[in-house]
Amino acid sequence: EDQVTQSPEALRLQEGESSSLNCSYTVSGLRGLFWYRQDPGKGPEFLFTLYSAGEEKEKERLKATLTKKESFLHITAPKPEDSATYLCAVGPGSGTYKYIFGTGTRLKVLA
Amino acid sequence: GAVVSQHPSWVICKSGTSVKIECRSLDFQATTMFWYRQFPKQSLMLMATSNEGSKATYEQGVEKDKFLINHASLTLSTLTVTSAHPEDSSFYICSARDRPSEYYEQYFGPGTRLTVT
Repeated sequence: EDQVTQSPEALRLQEGESSSLNCSYTVSGLRGLFWYRQDPGKGPEFLFTLYSAGEEKEKERLKATLTKKESFLHITAPKPEDSATYLCAVGPGSGTYKYIFGTGTRLKVLA
Repeated sequence: GAVVSQHPSWVICKSGTSVKIECRSLDFQATTMFWYRQFPKQSLMLMATSNEGSKATYEQGVEKDKFLINHASLTLSTLTVTSAHPEDSSFYICSARDRPSEYYEQYFGPGTRLTVT
């Protein structure tokens, strides 16, 4: 069964304290792994797409990496405005375009 | 680019009435749109997948006669909650897939907060 698990469920960091969020997946024929940021009361905002093991992408303080079993979202020197829920989703190779979402990591960065 | 809008952003209705939510892709054509529902502090739950010009595909457990989806054009999909009840109160979010892209990122709208009294 296709499955996505994110950890930790919640994370509190001091401003400037770097850390990583984990997204583990089991899926048949991965077609893509997607990271989103969601602020309270808003729709998810697209961050990254990763397609193959070894791929990395960066945007400002965020860097996403992918292995055959998991993806990491590294946050370097976070700021309070990075506080949000980070969602991971995978696109299985089932011929549809549906996502399988993880449950998200709620990040709080303290000033 | 890849902007998706939803209207209304919030709506309050009385039990037994119907509510329509619009989802528009503003700067791209979307052959596929998705409708999600999200409860507080939970992840997104896919309700249905809608393809332009064809019937929507509903996820297991979602009542298709209650949640009517129409994808009449490449830029517009609508979700109608019929005979709404308080348990239908939720945050509804749509997303759209960029037509020319093979990489099928989904771009999400800002969401619609539905409260049924």
